[in-house]
Amino acid sequence: GAVVSQHPSWVICKSGTSVKIECRSLDFQATTMFWYRQFPKQSLMLMATSNEGSKATYEQGVEKDKFLINHASLTLSTLTVTSAHPEDSSFYICSARGLPTLTHNEQFFGPGTRLTVL
Amino acid sequence: DQQVKQNSPSLSVQEGRISILNCDYTNSMFDYFLWYKKYPAEGPTFLISISSIKDKNEDGRFTVFLNKSAKHLSLHIVPSQPGDSAVYFCAATVLASNTGKLIFGQGTTLQVKP
Repeated sequence: GAVVSQHPSWVICKSGTSVKIECRSLDFQATTMFWYRQFPKQSLMLMATSNEGSKATYEQGVEKDKFLINHASLTLSTLTVTSAHPEDSSFYICSARGLPTLTHNEQFFGPGTRLTVL
Repeated sequence: DQQVKQNSPSLSVQEGRISILNCDYTNSMFDYFLWYKKYPAEGPTFLISISSIKDKNEDGRFTVFLNKSAKHLSLHIVPSQPGDSAVYFCAATVLASNTGKLIFGQGTTLQVKP
């Protein structure tokens, strides 16, 4: 399957600082990338959808000014958590997909980034 | 509103036997379903998918069954192996919408005992 990487895999920061997480598709061009958040023992919750070269679409309840998403190329999307607070501590996972077909729409997930805000 | 539900939070199976993981959905617009396997602190790994035009898809030890009238799908793993122990998520999407949004169930933790 396709490979998606995330960097960093683990980050600890002080409250009030901003943290950038990178998501890269290594062997395919990702027309769309998705950002999820997973709290312990819970499901993956979609935060936003980003299409290359256009603004991200945020899910209801997700603050677009707090979670800045940039999808500058077909292989890279970044999520910046601005002015992070302890309640932002979570496991952030990105996924990427190429052009969907009528019968296939797999997303390939990165390994995730554990964010801890002190 | 939980559109995709996995009502069993955990399942324990003996090695070599069949594991059956279940998933129910409420949105009749869903037309594509996927199963992912996830280890702690890692991203989900795609396992198998099925389009709503089919009722069965098989890939090696993994088979997914779809019952549209019951809005139910299941993942069968035969034979189960200790390495299959992980959290399994089912997900659903509306292909026709072209948004690519996946709605995930809560996950089922599978433990395969040697």
